[in-house]
Amino acid sequence: DAKTTQPTSMDCAEGRAANLPCNHSTISGNEYVYWYRQIHSQGPQYIIHGLKNNETNEMASLIITEDRKSSTLILPHATLRDTAVYYCIVRSLNRDDKIIFGKGTRLHILP
Amino acid sequence: NAGVTQTPKFRILKIGQSMTLQCTQDMNHNYMYWYRQDPGMGLKLIYYSVGAGITDKGEVPNGYNVSRSTTEDFPLRLELAAPSQTSVYFCASSANLPTGELFFGEGSRLTVL
Repeated sequence: DAKTTQPTSMDCAEGRAANLPCNHSTISGNEYVYWYRQIHSQGPQYIIHGLKNNETNEMASLIITEDRKSSTLILPHATLRDTAVYYCIVRSLNRDDKIIFGKGTRLHILP
Repeated sequence: NAGVTQTPKFRILKIGQSMTLQCTQDMNHNYMYWYRQDPGMGLKLIYYSVGAGITDKGEVPNGYNVSRSTTEDFPLRLELAAPSQTSVYFCASSANLPTGELFFGEGSRLTVL
């Protein structure tokens, strides 16, 4: 089973920040949090990942709570092209690297 | 770089036929994965491999087989195709941690009639 839970869907107005939450309350110390998005029926695309510090890149910011039990992906200025399904997953450093996806959040950007 | 390449992109099979979905990556990644995605659903892990000669089952392995004889290639074999295997199949590869992001192919859309 997936180790993360996300809301099924969210709306965000174009130009506003989109904040997508993810719960990973059973995360262990050697597991990273990764975010991907899937636009229409294309292959998922990597967005960002982190271990315990907040991270930022040209696409998004990742805020991880101090206890690491949840995180938030922030798209600072959402555009219509950000309409997609967003997946949050955790990934272990262990050799048994079974990467399980949950159902993700379907983000609708409203014009 | 080509990244992760999947073939074929589309295929129609009759019930009981067999076929192989090909996946190759040119990034020298150790880790490779096969997922399936049914309409409106998330990704389900079929099989994965942490290196050449090593494969393991994922969430939904029944009806499929894989092999990993080289680092580059990770073919997925469907034996005795069934309508329940109608899906879009994605192959992915990943570098080792701490980078470790997954790179996905464009997908192979399979219909079993």
